[in-house]
Amino acid sequence: EVQLVESGGGLVQPGGSLRLSCAASGFTFSSYAMSWVRQAPGKGLEWVSGISGSSDITFAADSVKGRFTISRDNSRNTLHLQMDRLRAEDTAVYYCAKDQLVEPYYYFDLWGQGTLVTVAS
Amino acid sequence: DIQMTQSPSTLSASVGDRVTITCRASQGIRTWLAWYQQKPGNAPKLLIYSASSLESGVPSRFSGSGSGTEFTLTITSLQPDDFATYYCQQYSSPLRTFGQGTKVEIK
Repeated sequence: EVQLVESGGGLVQPGGSLRLSCAASGFTFSSYAMSWVRQAPGKGLEWVSGISGSSDITFAADSVKGRFTISRDNSRNTLHLQMDRLRAEDTAVYYCAKDQLVEPYYYFDLWGQGTLVTVAS
Repeated sequence: DIQMTQSPSTLSASVGDRVTITCRASQGIRTWLAWYQQKPGNAPKLLIYSASSLESGVPSRFSGSGSGTEFTLTITSLQPDDFATYYCQQYSSPLRTFGQGTKVEIK
């Protein structure tokens, strides 16, 4: 079955760190770029960061640049998001999403179910 | 960054109605636009890509049009399963951006 399954969300204090993971199955993981997209409670979608299939190209939204790092392990079919210096405004459901091609320049044709990150003291 | 603005923010309609949602880009994006449907508690689902191409498995009552800075998503005959929030997304820039969403409610 083609699917993405996120994990690693939870409650963290402001200034803290968290590492999200996304396990992919049912497709050739290394052949597709991947992204993280988040959704604050009751709000719209915000693209966070993207990475090419071979990890040679990465992009991040200005709101997380310098604090969040996207990476992938193609041998384990896993995508990661390392989140440091977390702020209250980072509270959201974080989705991993599969890009349409190997470069991170397109739309998303497969989404995970999301993992909730809550930043609060 | 390219800003995407959807209108209206909320739309009240009845089953069988024709519904149109507009998405405007802050600069020209050719046809690098996708549309998604999201239901409460669920992940978004791809409906349309390249402004007007229907994703496999999506009912033909959904259609998209436009190019440059103005785009529309049309549902020709609204079905009960279509009450949801719809988002546009540009991919002209690698810093992808979404519209703020349009909620389609039951009238």
